[in-house]
Amino acid sequence: DAKTTQPPSMDCAEGRAANLPCNHSTISGNEYVYWYRQIHSQGPQYIIHGLKNNETNEMASLIITEDRKSSTLILPHATLRDTAVYYCIVRISGGYQKVTFGTGTKLQVIP
Amino acid sequence: DTAVSQTPKYLVTQMGNDKSIKCEQNLGHDTMYWYKQDSKKFLKIMFSYNNKELIINETVPNRFSPKSPDKAHLNLHINSLELGDSAVYFCASWRQSTGELFFGEGSRLTVL
Repeated sequence: DAKTTQPPSMDCAEGRAANLPCNHSTISGNEYVYWYRQIHSQGPQYIIHGLKNNETNEMASLIITEDRKSSTLILPHATLRDTAVYYCIVRISGGYQKVTFGTGTKLQVIP
Repeated sequence: DTAVSQTPKYLVTQMGNDKSIKCEQNLGHDTMYWYKQDSKKFLKIMFSYNNKELIINETVPNRFSPKSPDKAHLNLHINSLELGDSAVYFCASWRQSTGELFFGEGSRLTVL
């Protein structure tokens, strides 16, 4: 799996958009970008994933640059419940493989 | 119904004991994982099973023995527990079609 780099921590005001960046400069053509989050020692929760097009679901939006070397997870209206560690992972979609979690970004949503 | 359930959620035991953690998924997936999250919060993969067969073993001490009686269950047995085994252990199930991992709520093991 390609390595990813994320800032260790970020703050965001409640109600504002939270933009979490991820660098994955060594990503391969068949590797997807996945985002997970872990809220206070609960099990990690899948958020969204994409290959090269921007994606949106009920939780978040994912913006992937044209060269695919970086991406941004956007939480459009952050709430206190969004305080968590956010992990960016790149991997191929199918096949048996280990999924390696980095250190992630600790997002603190401030009232 | 909980998609991935682990038992017990908390386990406190003495060094040298043997303990097991059970995991069950009702998602119909073929592949399951065990992860360990230590006090520094690093999530490290330990094992992966596909349809009852071991496919990933990440240099885990042989005191750890996963067992998969069927593809819906992946249990973790730990022999001769050590202080360093204290951690939160997460089970996960993998949806092959989308690549999503579904995690359980974790089992916090404390070795005294």
